[in-house]
Amino acid sequence: DAGVIQSPRHEVTEMGQEVTLRCKPISGHNSLFWYRQTMMRGLELLIYFNNNVPIDDSGMPEDRFSAKMPNASFSTLKIQPSEPRDSAVYFCASSSSGPSGNTIYFGEGSWLTVV
Amino acid sequence: GNSVTQMEGPVTLSEEAFLTINCTYTATGYPSLFWYVQYPGEGLQLLLKATKADDKGSNKGFEATYRKETTSFHLEKGSVQVSDSAVYFCALSPSGYSTLTFGKGTMLLVSP
Repeated sequence: DAGVIQSPRHEVTEMGQEVTLRCKPISGHNSLFWYRQTMMRGLELLIYFNNNVPIDDSGMPEDRFSAKMPNASFSTLKIQPSEPRDSAVYFCASSSSGPSGNTIYFGEGSWLTVV
Repeated sequence: GNSVTQMEGPVTLSEEAFLTINCTYTATGYPSLFWYVQYPGEGLQLLLKATKADDKGSNKGFEATYRKETTSFHLEKGSVQVSDSAVYFCALSPSGYSTLTFGKGTMLLVSP
């Protein structure tokens, strides 16, 4: 089975530019998560979708960040305009609830640098 | 609220040494508990999990036991290898929820 697929793996962009990160969850999974990892804050949950519907977006830093999930196999995280403090690794993850408990599987991350 | 506390690193060991990374949690109800591992330049991989009290998760020689009385889920390995060098994250998923709350991670460095 293919895991969670993220693109791009690495992105370097200038301050003020729009950044779009993409994610394809594991087929059959009904929950999708966007996490951000920085040295200062560790791993933070940005937003969580269930059955394509945003359930909890309280971790989205500010209005510059937006996320969509138009169908069960695709999600985007957009930053517009980007700022240097947005530099981080952004992870997409997915899971499928089951009797053995929720196990969340992570993609390899999108490493974003804003200069 | 829910939180996870891990011992600060880095933990530096020689090959074949015994490893313990402490993890304690705060949560209501009966969360599921996880250990994830992140190798340099890579994403997080599930290492092991436990879904109820007294469960023991194990994988690749690593073990952790869900201790509700001490709200702990310490990670252990009897003999570490250089290839175990990575950052280890303890996490919980509250009962009835799908999200994960992570600890800050503990870096493990194993020297030959």
